[in-house]
Amino acid sequence: DIQMTQSPSSLSASVGDRVTITCRASQSISKYLNWYQQKPGKAPNLLIHAASTLQSGVPSRFSGSGSGTAFTLTISSLQPEDFATYYCQQGYSAPPYTFGQGTKVEIK
Amino acid sequence: EVQVVESGGGLVQPGRSLRLSCSASGFSFGDYAMSWVRQAPGKGLEWVGFIRSKTYGGTPEYAASVEGRFTISRDDSKSIAYLQMNSLKTEDTAVYYCTRGLGRFLEWLPYGMDIWGQGTTVTVSS
Repeated sequence: DIQMTQSPSSLSASVGDRVTITCRASQSISKYLNWYQQKPGKAPNLLIHAASTLQSGVPSRFSGSGSGTAFTLTISSLQPEDFATYYCQQGYSAPPYTFGQGTKVEIK
Repeated sequence: EVQVVESGGGLVQPGRSLRLSCSASGFSFGDYAMSWVRQAPGKGLEWVGFIRSKTYGGTPEYAASVEGRFTISRDDSKSIAYLQMNSLKTEDTAVYYCTRGLGRFLEWLPYGMDIWGQGTTVTVSS
């Protein structure tokens, strides 16, 4: 199985900050990396697929990059509605389509 | 509106069975792979399995943790996907989400899941 490791597990940031979350795969997954946002009590929401393609309706302050084993999710200017938990997920090989353990973005 | 709605969750004793349903609307259900993802209380997301569209034989794939106990099926005439869960264990306690794979007529799910239901809670306890 491909293991996905996110860092950090949590972070505290202020509105307006630039935030970067890293996701590493245990082997190359090419560009097949997807990012989700989950708010408490809600279902996850797909933000980015194929490492860098923004889903329709997702604000442009979100961006993704990377290929192979190293990927990043960047929020260019953190907004109040962005405080949530973010998950990466590999779409390269299944079963299983593994998720990272999550990164909780909290208000400083 | 494109949506999926889960039902069938509840409290069940260890070793018993439960069937979850996922009713889809607003899109051509038969064209998409459908997947189940679960989230144990206070934990992260765990992919459970998916079922391909009939274009690819409607065949399923499962996570090792549920292989042999869970079965995913679909009824395209009703736009419903099912998750049959047998021999339930306490560690199966979770919110179960039904999801749609991003992209029509795909054999696999390289681009993740773009439509999620609200989830249905399964509690396995004696």
